[in-house]
This record gives sequence, C-alpha cells and structure tokens, in this order.
Amino acid sequence: EDQVTQSPEALRLQEGESSSLNCSYTVSGLRGLFWYRQDPGKGPEFLFTLYSAGEEKEKERLKATLTKKESFLHITAPKPEDSATYLCAVQVTLTSGGSYIPTFGRGTSLIVHP
Amino acid sequence: GAGVSQSPRYKVAKRGQDVALRCDPISGHVSLFWYQQALGQGPEFLTYFQNEAQLDKSGLPSDRFFAERPEGSVSTLKIQRTQQEDSAVYLCASSNTQGGNEQFFGPGTRLTVL
Repeated sequence: EDQVTQSPEALRLQEGESSSLNCSYTVSGLRGLFWYRQDPGKGPEFLFTLYSAGEEKEKERLKATLTKKESFLHITAPKPEDSATYLCAVQVTLTSGGSYIPTFGRGTSLIVHP
Repeated sequence: GAGVSQSPRYKVAKRGQDVALRCDPISGHVSLFWYQQALGQGPEFLTYFQNEAQLDKSGLPSDRFFAERPEGSVSTLKIQRTQQEDSAVYLCASSNTQGGNEQFFGPGTRLTVL
C-alpha cells in the first residue's frame, strides 16, 4: 500500500528562523510529488510539482527538493504569513484503469511567530 | 479569473437526510476530483472524472455516495441517508491536464451530520 508520511506534525518558528519540512514516501512507480499549502477554512493551494530525483523548485522563500525516498520543503527566513498547513501528495504511475489517484500526507502545521 | 467554487459552503443535515454538494470547476478543465478531508488529516481521494467520464470511484466509502458530471463541467456529489461519520469537509479540485498534475481546489463544503 502506498504510504506518505510528513514530519514534523507541527512546527513553530520565529520569524527569520529557517527550517525544513519532510515528506517521505513508499510508493511504486512515482509519477509526481506535489506540495500544497492550506490555510484554515480554505482548500489547498498548489505550490510545486517534482517528477524525478534531484529535481528542485523554488518560489519566494520556499524550495522543494526530491530524492528517491523523500522530499523536503525548505523555508528560508520565514515570515508570519507563511503560517499554514503544508501538504505533500504523491501520484503513482497510471494504472490499467486509466487514473492517477493522489495520496496525501497528513500535513505539517507551521506557525511562524513575529 | 474565477477559481473553483463549491456550494453550499456549510451544510448541516440530520442523520438519514440526503445531501447534494456542488462543484463548479475552472472553465475548460478536463479533470475533476472529489476529496474528503477530516479534521487534522490530509484530503482523501473519493472519485475522479475526465470530462464527463467517471474513471475512478474507488475512494467512495459506500454505495450511499454517488457523483456525477453529466456535461463535463459542473459536478455534484450526492450522499444518501447521511451518517455521523460522513461529517467532514468535501473538497473539489480541477485540473487542465488529464492526469491532474496541478490541481486547483475549491474552498470546500463543511458537512455536519447531527
């Protein structure tokens, strides 16, 4: 069974204190790994897609990296507005049924204090 | 431009009632996904449409759940004879790719079954 595990479950940072969130996965035939941001009461907001080991993507203070077993979301000099839950999801290779079913982790709740 | 919209945003139902949740995807988006999100959890896949075809419904918890997208745009998730365990946020997402690589989520419908 495909598994996606995110750690830590919760993270508190001071403004400017850089850190990393982890997403480890055990799937066969990874098609893509996705990072989303979710604010309370809202739907997830797409951040990045990573397709192969060694790939990196950046957006403002966020940088996502991918290895064969895990992905990291690095947050550099975070600001209070970066506070949110960060979700990781994986899509496995197209099945014979013709669908891509994404499997989400439980997320990491990030709070950045001013 | 308009994003994904869902209605109603909140729904309270008595146990045993039928409910219908609506999703208006981004115009022209081929793929549409429904998810169920419990408090503190990541979204869990329910079903997937490519245009009007329901390609995968393996995530629907029981035969009380039914989804349709008759004209390949608006989708409705129907839950018959609601139970307390159906209480959750129901998220809809659309994508302009067949595989649903970058998904745009709606705000969700919070269903509470009393």
